[in-house]
Order: sequence, then C-alpha cells, then structure tokens
Amino acid sequence: DIQMTQSPSSLSASVGDRVTITCRASQSISSYLNWYQQKPGKAPKLLIYAGYSLQSGVPSRFSGSGSGTDFTLTISSLQPEDFASYYCQQSYSTPKTFGQGTKVEIK
Amino acid sequence: QVQLQESGPGLVKTSETLSLTCIVSGGSVSSGGYYWSWIRRPPGKGLEWIGHVYYRGNTNYNPSLKSRVTISVDTSKNQFSLKLRSVTAADTAVYYCARDVAVAAIQRFDPWGQGTLVTVSS
Repeated sequence: DIQMTQSPSSLSASVGDRVTITCRASQSISSYLNWYQQKPGKAPKLLIYAGYSLQSGVPSRFSGSGSGTDFTLTISSLQPEDFASYYCQQSYSTPKTFGQGTKVEIK
Repeated sequence: QVQLQESGPGLVKTSETLSLTCIVSGGSVSSGGYYWSWIRRPPGKGLEWIGHVYYRGNTNYNPSLKSRVTISVDTSKNQFSLKLRSVTAADTAVYYCARDVAVAAIQRFDPWGQGTLVTVSS
C-alpha cells in the first residue's frame, strides 16, 4: 500500500493568513492526489483533484500543487469557514489511501 | 445533485456482522462511470478505504479487509450495502459511503454521506 504522510498534524492560524499543508507519498504517484475538507459532524468535501484541479464551487483561495511524492495544499487567505480538518488521498493505485489529516484551528 | 445517506445499527456485538446501507438520491447508482465506495475512520485514526461496487456488481476490496467484507448494489432501490463479518472492537468507526468518480482515469470521492458511527461491543 502507498503510505500518505501529512504535516503538520495541526496548526493554529489567524483569519487572513496564508496556510500551507504538505502531503508526502511513500512512492511516486504522479499527480494522482486529491484534497478534502471536513468540518465536525459533516461529510468530507472534495476540494482539489488530480493534484491541482479545483473542484467546481470551491473558492479560488484554495490551490494544490506538486507531483511525484510531494504535494501542497495552500489556502491563500484563511477565512472563518476554513477552520476544519484537511486530508490528502492518493488515487494512483488500489487500495486508495489517505493522509492522517491536518486540523486547522483558530489562533 | 447527488446525495448519499448511510443507515444501519449504531451498535453491533463482537463477532457478529456489521450491516450498513447507503441510499442514493438525486442520481442513479446505475450511472456509468461511477463506483460506489465505503470508507471508515476509527476513533483517533485516519480514513481507510474499505471497497467499492459497480452497478453491474463488480467489486474491489481493500486487501486488509477482503476476507470479511461484502459490498453489494441494489439498482431497484438505488442503494448499495456493506457487510463486515466477525467484527471486533477494532471495527468501531464512523462509516462513510461515497461516490467513487473515475473520469479519464482520474479518481476521487465525491460526494460523501454524513457518516454513521458504529460501535462494536460485547
């Protein structure tokens, strides 16, 4: 199985901050990397697929980059509704695997 | 828009079978190009993909659970189901169903159900 490692596991930030979350794969996955947002008690929501493609309806302050083994999710200007947990997921091979998650909290 | 909703018992006894159903609304499980997946998250742990089913009944399972899992689809009821046999406390988790989109070989899960907590206890 491909192991996905996210960092940090949590971070504190203020509204307006630029936030970066990193995801590393245990082997090359080309650009087969998705990002999800989850708020407490809610369903996970797809933000980014195929490394950098923004899902329809997702604000443009979210962006994804990277290929191979190292990927980044960036929130350019953190908004109050962005405080949530974020997960990466590789779609390169089966079984599909996820990172452990990054919780973004209010500073 | 497509919506998914999990249903099933919130408490299962050790060694018994966990059974959940995902009801799909706003779309059809028989739509080509989509698989239908189950995913879980044990308390304090990460997300784990369990497996998926195509409307024709084709399945694919996570090898870690393959010996205990059956995922099936009922196109007449527009739903799909999960059965996990011989459960232990380690199977306690929030279980999610999700549409497994694979267009031009680019796979992602979208949308997801809200999730349902299943506790395994003796």
